[in-house]
Amino acid sequence: DAGVTQSPTHLIKTRGQQVTLRCSPKSGHDTVSWYQQALGQGPQFIFQYYEEEERQRGNFPDRFSGHQFPNYSSELNVNALLLGDSALYLCASSPPQTGQQETQYFGPGTRLLVL
Amino acid sequence: SQQGEEDPQALSIQEGENATMNCSYKTSINNLQWYRQNSGRGLVHLILIRSNEREKHSGRLRVTLDTSKKSSSLLITASRAADTASYFCATGLGNTPLVFGKGTRLSVIA
Repeated sequence: DAGVTQSPTHLIKTRGQQVTLRCSPKSGHDTVSWYQQALGQGPQFIFQYYEEEERQRGNFPDRFSGHQFPNYSSELNVNALLLGDSALYLCASSPPQTGQQETQYFGPGTRLLVL
Repeated sequence: SQQGEEDPQALSIQEGENATMNCSYKTSINNLQWYRQNSGRGLVHLILIRSNEREKHSGRLRVTLDTSKKSSSLLITASRAADTASYFCATGLGNTPLVFGKGTRLSVIA
């Protein structure tokens, strides 16, 4: 049973560019959350997708957007990249009918470096 | 903003010793969770303790929760080199997202 997968593992972009990160949830899970983790910090919640809609959003600008597909996989898009967007981006999934504050299953993350 | 604050920020112990990490938080919670992260990779869920529980065990892990002091502790007994990682507490309340602390970096020296 595959866990949460993310692609790519690493990515280098320059300021002003756009990036798309991808996530496939654990089998049987229908909810996907995205987190940003800066170096030396804990993960910070970006947003959560359920039934192909953004259900909740953290304190991130509109440059951060997402999408969820009918197969529950998800994308995170970041436009107009800034140096401060350099971070590890984590995707987490959770099973049906569990609250946002229940156990999250994390993928290995995508390391984004903005130059 | 991050609610949980882990203490200490870094901890170095010898293999076989016990490791204790603490987490303090500011608001009411429904549950508190501990996660482990190896070298900037994904987080692995270790244990969840609900607000009406005081202590929970899982293998070599023991978690306590004191809601009156808004604090929790994670004890790893008989530590191994493989326990070297960062450990994060995360608090859950209602339908709001988990809020993570900054973590404790544990080094277990063989």
